[in-house]
Amino acid sequence: QKEVEQDPGPLSVPEGAIVSLNCTYSNSAFQYFMWYRQYSRKGPELLMYTYSSGNKEDGRFTAQVDKSSKYISLFIRDSQPSDSATYLCAMSGTIETSGSRLTFGEGTQLTVNP
Amino acid sequence: GAVVSQHPSRVICKSGTSVKIECRSLDFQATTMFWYRQFPKKSLMLMATSNEGSKATYEQGVEKDKFLINHASLTLSTLTVTSAHPEDSSFYICSARGTFTGELFFGEGSRLTVL
Repeated sequence: QKEVEQDPGPLSVPEGAIVSLNCTYSNSAFQYFMWYRQYSRKGPELLMYTYSSGNKEDGRFTAQVDKSSKYISLFIRDSQPSDSATYLCAMSGTIETSGSRLTFGEGTQLTVNP
Repeated sequence: GAVVSQHPSRVICKSGTSVKIECRSLDFQATTMFWYRQFPKKSLMLMATSNEGSKATYEQGVEKDKFLINHASLTLSTLTVTSAHPEDSSFYICSARGTFTGELFFGEGSRLTVL
């Protein structure tokens, strides 16, 4: 079983739709949770960074972490064609347990159609 | 936000030659940098962890002598692919962690093609 599971998609939605991206994980030591956006042939770009459980909102993006269920989500409101990319979830434990190493999901390929 | 610069963004070389890729943190000091390899439509595979002033820690299955990593300063880490072969063709990405933050930022990636 992989430590982090993410549906690879592809996911195709119309412009303006609400997009929900999810990851589940098995390692209870994970404390830091991140979402990255990666355009084709580019390095990943950090979108959201959260510590422990809760919600975090930044513009059209909302990240949710439910540590009791080992489940994290990224919501994109009013999706735009420019949001078309691969979205990677990533997580890590503390410096002591993982040395800041990230464990990535497989990435979900999203296409927002105009 | 923090910026990590990677160079070159694209390199083509002949089989048997060596290629060096640089990763620089531009506005923060990075005690730890990470090198990843990514195959098409796949997630990032961690190759090694680079610590400033000490030897890199390689992941299982990654050849230390083939992928030489040097982290000589708080702002620069280099990955040298020695005696490159076509199977080494891939997208190599570095990331850097700031001294006082838990966030990791990625470079733009370097696409290596070995002919």
